[in-house]
Amino acid sequence: DVKVTQSSRYLVKRTGEKVFLECVQDMDHENMFWYRQDPGLGLRLIYFSYDVKMKEKGDIPEGYSVSREKKERFSLILESASTNQTSMYLCASSLSRGEVNEQFFGPGTRLTVL
Amino acid sequence: GQNIDQPTEMTATEGAIVQINCTYQTSGFNGLFWYQQHAGEAPTFLSYNVLDGLEEKGRFSSFLSRSKGYSYLLLKELQMKDSASYLCAVINSNYQLIWGAGTKLIIKP
Repeated sequence: DVKVTQSSRYLVKRTGEKVFLECVQDMDHENMFWYRQDPGLGLRLIYFSYDVKMKEKGDIPEGYSVSREKKERFSLILESASTNQTSMYLCASSLSRGEVNEQFFGPGTRLTVL
Repeated sequence: GQNIDQPTEMTATEGAIVQINCTYQTSGFNGLFWYQQHAGEAPTFLSYNVLDGLEEKGRFSSFLSRSKGYSYLLLKELQMKDSASYLCAVINSNYQLIWGAGTKLIIKP
């Protein structure tokens, strides 16, 4: 079974802090994704990556950056957290680019910025 | 623009049948997914349709009409554990996944 893990289930940070959210997948997937999920808005794509050291902006990249130094790990960084970044953050992975593959999700990190 | 529409919330009775609709307008089409998401948990894959017609998988079935830009998820013999949000997502011509906002299904005894 594909397993996607995220470093924290719940996180509370203060405005202006730098926040790191880590995601690891164990099935050698090429593609990795970061979403945020807010009530009534569904899943919104922040960044994605099709390969190591490669990243592409999603629909809402402002205020975020990412890092993919190893194939299995994809990190989301909030350089200076703000209250409007309070949300559920979901990491996902899928097999390869340019094909139709289901995405497998991690358990999510509920981030609260005070 | 690209958009996917689903009802926000639906209520059904245990043991009954419910149909959750999804309509979409996307730049191209390479298939449609349905995911289930229980409160506070990650979405999990339910079904994938790329050709017109009905795909049955146990108590769950998913239908697609590409000409109408329409899909539905049919849940039979509803159980309390089916209370969850159901997310519709379409793969466009760039192989990007476009997500609907989800339908919250409430099952009553």
